[in-house]
Amino acid sequence: DTAVSQTPKYLVTQMGNDKSIKCEQNLGHDTMYWYKQDSKKFLKIMFSYNNKELIINETVPNRFSPKSPDKAHLNLHINSLELGDSAVYFCASSQSGSKNIQYFGAGTRLSVL
Amino acid sequence: AQKITQTQPGMFVQEKEAVTLDCTYDTSDPSYGLFWYKQPSSGEMIFLIYQGSYDQQNATEGRYSLNFQKARKSANLVISASQLGDSAMYFCAMREGFNTNAGKSTFGDGTTLTVKP
Repeated sequence: DTAVSQTPKYLVTQMGNDKSIKCEQNLGHDTMYWYKQDSKKFLKIMFSYNNKELIINETVPNRFSPKSPDKAHLNLHINSLELGDSAVYFCASSQSGSKNIQYFGAGTRLSVL
Repeated sequence: AQKITQTQPGMFVQEKEAVTLDCTYDTSDPSYGLFWYKQPSSGEMIFLIYQGSYDQQNATEGRYSLNFQKARKSANLVISASQLGDSAMYFCAMREGFNTNAGKSTFGDGTTLTVKP
């Protein structure tokens, strides 16, 4: 059973399209995250939700909209995709009140053509 | 603002030898957690080891140990008896204010480790 699962694993799309990435965790954690890893492997946090509440919202274009229907799910919707959005997007989860160790999904490789 | 520095873009080690990957950090928060992750060529991010700022002992997990020097603000990862499967990119990360919900993790730029047979 995969602890943090993301779908799809690969996403190839045209500029201007809208796409979504889904994430689910079965670890019972209360906090979930979206990270972006660029072509140079720099990893940067985008958003974090705790118990469905947005707690971290980094400087991200408002074309990116996260949604957390419940604490086990965190989806990322991207409008009007641009070439610069091409990257690997990682979902992660952790349990607050402990070491807050983040466990990552396998990543979604987004390619915008 | 918190910051993580990994000064070694790439490292080589002979199989079965030990290797140390450097990580220094900067924070004004007395409460923080330090993490190391491994990213093999397959792309997933694998948690390796954790050290809390108040932990007295250096963390160990199997062949991984964290050399925590608080005064120097360093948290180096030591891998003993390197194996070919250890070839990967390694990230150091820090989270300020652990045990709070709003703490943000910052990742270093990573070190690519290559284990030679």
